[in-house]
Amino acid sequence: DTGVSQDPRHKITKRGQNVTFRCDPISEHNRLYWYRQTLGQGPEFLTYFQNEAQLEKSRLLSDRFSAERPKGSFSTLEIQRTEQGDSAMYLCASSLGAGDDMNTEAFFGQGTRLTVV
Amino acid sequence: GDSVTQMEGPVTLSEEAFLTINCTYTATGYPSLFWYVQYPGEGLQLLLKATKADDKGSNKGFEATYRKETTSFHLEKGSVQVSDSAVYFCALSGANNLFFGTGTRLTVIP
Repeated sequence: DTGVSQDPRHKITKRGQNVTFRCDPISEHNRLYWYRQTLGQGPEFLTYFQNEAQLEKSRLLSDRFSAERPKGSFSTLEIQRTEQGDSAMYLCASSLGAGDDMNTEAFFGQGTRLTVV
Repeated sequence: GDSVTQMEGPVTLSEEAFLTINCTYTATGYPSLFWYVQYPGEGLQLLLKATKADDKGSNKGFEATYRKETTSFHLEKGSVQVSDSAVYFCALSGANNLFFGTGTRLTVIP
């Protein structure tokens, strides 16, 4: 296992199009996170899965955004009707933890850079 | 709500200089605190962590102490190297989340 992988690494799309990103976490990790990062800012939390259950969703995540983790393994993040303001780096992270313990290390992928033109 | 406030950068230092990057936090409960580092062209990776008050996290010559009385987790290194040039993020564990600061870009010049 080489770590968290994200696909694609770069995506350019026209405004109004839909895009979907994929994240493959480290295989035994039960937790998966999506973040968005814009230039000069830290990662902003979007959503969190424990196994296949989506337990937390940021209010930043408009109804154009949806994430799934159908079998508790890989996850997809879809953005519908993209806007120029959606241009950012989308980061996925995974970790192994139990219950409410958030002290375990999160391992990050290299991200998908989205440019909406 | 939970949040992290991080020293703004960028920071430029000469090799072997002393480094401090300030981080303060606001949280309910007793979060764990982390420093993540992002080297050029790479993903975020954990540098060090501390899970309770007065704990000191350390790695690669970097240290940070969890200070509950000042709600701080400042990152320090006694002698920086060119290879330490990166963006450093302070982070705090929330209920179902990690909250990140805005990042501090460090450039170390020979």
